[in-house]
Amino acid sequence: QQQVKQSPQSLIVQKGGISIINCAYENTAFDYFPWYQQFPGKGPALLIAIRPDVSEKKEGRFTISFNKSAKQFSLHIMDSQPGDSATYFCAASPGYQKVTFGTGTKLQVIP
Amino acid sequence: DAGVTQSPTHLIKTRGQHVTLRCSPISGHKSVSWYQQVLGQGPQFIFQYYEKEERGRGNFPDRFSARQFPNYSSELNVNALLLGDSALYLCASSWGLAGGSTDTQYFGPGTRLTVL
Repeated sequence: QQQVKQSPQSLIVQKGGISIINCAYENTAFDYFPWYQQFPGKGPALLIAIRPDVSEKKEGRFTISFNKSAKQFSLHIMDSQPGDSATYFCAASPGYQKVTFGTGTKLQVIP
Repeated sequence: DAGVTQSPTHLIKTRGQHVTLRCSPISGHKSVSWYQQVLGQGPQFIFQYYEKEERGRGNFPDRFSARQFPNYSSELNVNALLLGDSALYLCASSWGLAGGSTDTQYFGPGTRLTVL
């Protein structure tokens, strides 16, 4: 049972553009929503995370928007750069453990 | 500071064999979790250990087992390997279980297991 649905599966954005990845969850026990970035051959690295008591969190070029009533959250990458090309996973968990991952979005930023 | 380390990096086994994967957490971290990442998919939770006790188990068959040692390192064992066990096995460590940002999980580079 897929508890975290992620879209799109792949995304091509021009350098300087905005990359947007969307996720939806079902389990209302989830209260921690991290985003991970994974480069080929590497493990996932925590990018940014949010708790449901806030609707938005920004760190540099990365912003999470969170809609608790709709059970949806999204990642916005502003001024996308070729170095941002990677696979991005949204995730959710009760607390900070036993993380349930989405299916991933392969982002390609073209010059 | 050293991050989470895993060994071996790559491993090739045949069906029916047994495999042991190893993980060393970040210094000071007491919790270790294991995830399986099949190619093209997100990681799936297998086990969590804290202070040498199992604190969570995902939806995996009994062929999968794990343990945590007094130094907080961990082993994941898989018996009677199947072709479908081919995946990247990730270990993640955290200081504790829940309650604050210090309990964020940090992932290792993984062990790539190929079952022929």
